[in-house]
Amino acid sequence: NAGVTQTPKFRVLKTGQSMTLLCAQDMNHEYMYWYRQDPGMGLRLIHYSVGEGTTAKGEVPDGYNVSRLKKQNFLLGLESAAPSQTSVYFCASSYREGTYEQYFGPGTRLTVT
Amino acid sequence: KNQVEQSPQSLIILEGKNCTLQCNYTVSPFSNLRWYKQDTGRGPVSLTIMTFSENTKSNGRYTATLDADTKQSSLHITASQLSDSASYICVVSGPLDTGRRALTFGSGTRLQVQP
Repeated sequence: NAGVTQTPKFRVLKTGQSMTLLCAQDMNHEYMYWYRQDPGMGLRLIHYSVGEGTTAKGEVPDGYNVSRLKKQNFLLGLESAAPSQTSVYFCASSYREGTYEQYFGPGTRLTVT
Repeated sequence: KNQVEQSPQSLIILEGKNCTLQCNYTVSPFSNLRWYKQDTGRGPVSLTIMTFSENTKSNGRYTATLDADTKQSSLHITASQLSDSASYICVVSGPLDTGRRALTFGSGTRLQVQP
């Protein structure tokens, strides 16, 4: 039982390049989330999904797209990377909302030059 | 704007000592409050989750308290260990603009336990 995994762990992009971050969970969770964590700030929600085939915008969705084609996978895409997207990205999953725990992946450190 | 403020920003204590971390929030309406531990280079791990009706919750040497009237919470760590060195994040469940619920994260307190 691996929990929540993220690939890649590190990536350096040039401005304007695109990339996809992959999140996978093996806990059969319905809900999945993408967050970004910047120095001195709390984690902020980018996009989330309440089930296979659904996605919704979070607090800071601009510049990102997501897809949830399979229940266990949640992809985060950057179509044209900008230096402001330099951050650590965390994926999380939970069985339901409410008081259900969110389980986090190990993070992806992205640098955009 | 919904906010979660934590204090202190950083703290250094000696191994074996106790410490208390503070969290004030303005999130409304409020559903639940969580404390997470985040080791350097890792994702956050949940320590406790409390609803508005709970005043205290423990997880081993970690005890969280909640005063929903004053919108304050604290995390008390007893008999600290070197492995307690981490960031501790207070998280409050509140509404997104769409009406759905989302988690509002504090920026964390960085705790360093020295031998």
